[in-house]
Amino acid sequence: AQTVTQSQPEMSVQEAETVTLSCTYDTSESDYYLFWYKQPPSRQMILVIRQEAYKQQNATENRFSVNFQKAAKSFSLKISDSQLGDAAMYFCAYRRPNLGSQGNLIFGKGTKLSVKP
Amino acid sequence: DVKVTQSSRYLVKRTGEKVFLECVQDMDHENMFWYRQDPGLGLRLIYFSYDVKMKEKGDIPEGYSVSREKKERFSLILESASTNQTSMYLCASSSGAISYEQYFGPGTRLTVT
Repeated sequence: AQTVTQSQPEMSVQEAETVTLSCTYDTSESDYYLFWYKQPPSRQMILVIRQEAYKQQNATENRFSVNFQKAAKSFSLKISDSQLGDAAMYFCAYRRPNLGSQGNLIFGKGTKLSVKP
Repeated sequence: DVKVTQSSRYLVKRTGEKVFLECVQDMDHENMFWYRQDPGLGLRLIYFSYDVKMKEKGDIPEGYSVSREKKERFSLILESASTNQTSMYLCASSSGAISYEQYFGPGTRLTVT
């Protein structure tokens, strides 16, 4: 079975600095999707960034980028120029490219990011 | 924008009560999901539905049931609430195509006393 591991329960970063959140996963599949979701305090979970495993190029969304290492099964999230609004729980998730039950998301346990002014 | 709404943000129930958590999405999504979120455990899938009246068990279905009579609405039912069901419950939806994003509701924080 697939598993997703986030080894950092909590992280802290100074405003305007860069922080990297770690995620590793275990799968025997060659094709899949990876995601980072953000859950601000008392607010809805939203998608930050996605990566298709067949794409070698790392995904980027403004200040958010990933370092996808397929062979190492690693999918880290880099937040550049951190802002106070980046403070949130971040969840890494894995999805098989199947419909129905085989395509459900598998989440890591989350990393709580604090941003210091 | 996709909107997923949940009937309550906070709910307090007594042990043994029957509890209904409602979720509605407005994007005509085929798939809907119920997760439970607990500190240090992340999100765990309780049940999901890929069509009206269709449902499948997730990782932790014990003590829960679901109902999907209409495409836009997915209900989670606690037949007899217990204190170990005190948790945050998140609903999500996604389209039936291989479109991978799930859209989440704001969550319901349920306390069972």
